[in-house]
Amino acid sequence: NAGVTQTPKFRVLKTGQSMTLLCAQDMNHEYMYWYRQDPGMGLRLIHYSVGEGTTAKGEVPDGYNVSRLKKQNFLLGLESAAPSQTSVYFCAVRRTGKGYEQYFGPGTRLTVT
Amino acid sequence: AQSVTQLDSQVPVFEEAPVELRCNYSSSVSVYLFWYVQYPNQGLQLLLKYLSGSTLVKGINGFEAEFNKSQTSFHLRKPSVHISDTAEYFCAVSGPDGGSQGNLIFGKGTKLSVKP
Repeated sequence: NAGVTQTPKFRVLKTGQSMTLLCAQDMNHEYMYWYRQDPGMGLRLIHYSVGEGTTAKGEVPDGYNVSRLKKQNFLLGLESAAPSQTSVYFCAVRRTGKGYEQYFGPGTRLTVT
Repeated sequence: AQSVTQLDSQVPVFEEAPVELRCNYSSSVSVYLFWYVQYPNQGLQLLLKYLSGSTLVKGINGFEAEFNKSQTSFHLRKPSVHISDTAEYFCAVSGPDGGSQGNLIFGKGTKLSVKP
């Protein structure tokens, strides 16, 4: 029972390159989230999904796209990476209903040079 | 808009001393409150949460937090810390819809450093 996994764990990109981060869960939860964590900034929500086939924008969506084609996977894409996107990215999942906590993956450390 | 303020960015403390990490939130509606812990190079792990009822909430690893509605605070406490408690702690509040979307607003974090 892996919970929430993220692939890759580390990645270095050059400015302008593209990549996709994968979040996978075996918890069968409906809600999935992508956050970025920057020093002194806490976690900021990029995009989220309340179910298969649905996505919505969070606080800092610019420069990112997402897809949720399967319930267990939530993909975060960077079409043209910029140095400002250097960050640690976390995926989280949550079951439906009020008051449930989010479960986080181990993170992906991305550096854009 | 809702916001969360963690009043201390860093808290150094000696082993076996008590600690309090402060969190204040702003909201015009009832909220759910959470404390998460992040150990170095790991994801976030839930320490405890307040949904309703008793204002004193007990969590894992000996931590507890007290919800104070009049002061809009949710401070985290531990009576005696260990070296292993060294980590970053995040306070979070549910979104303005009362939590049905599950969106959390996080504070900027407090780094707890426990020294021998």
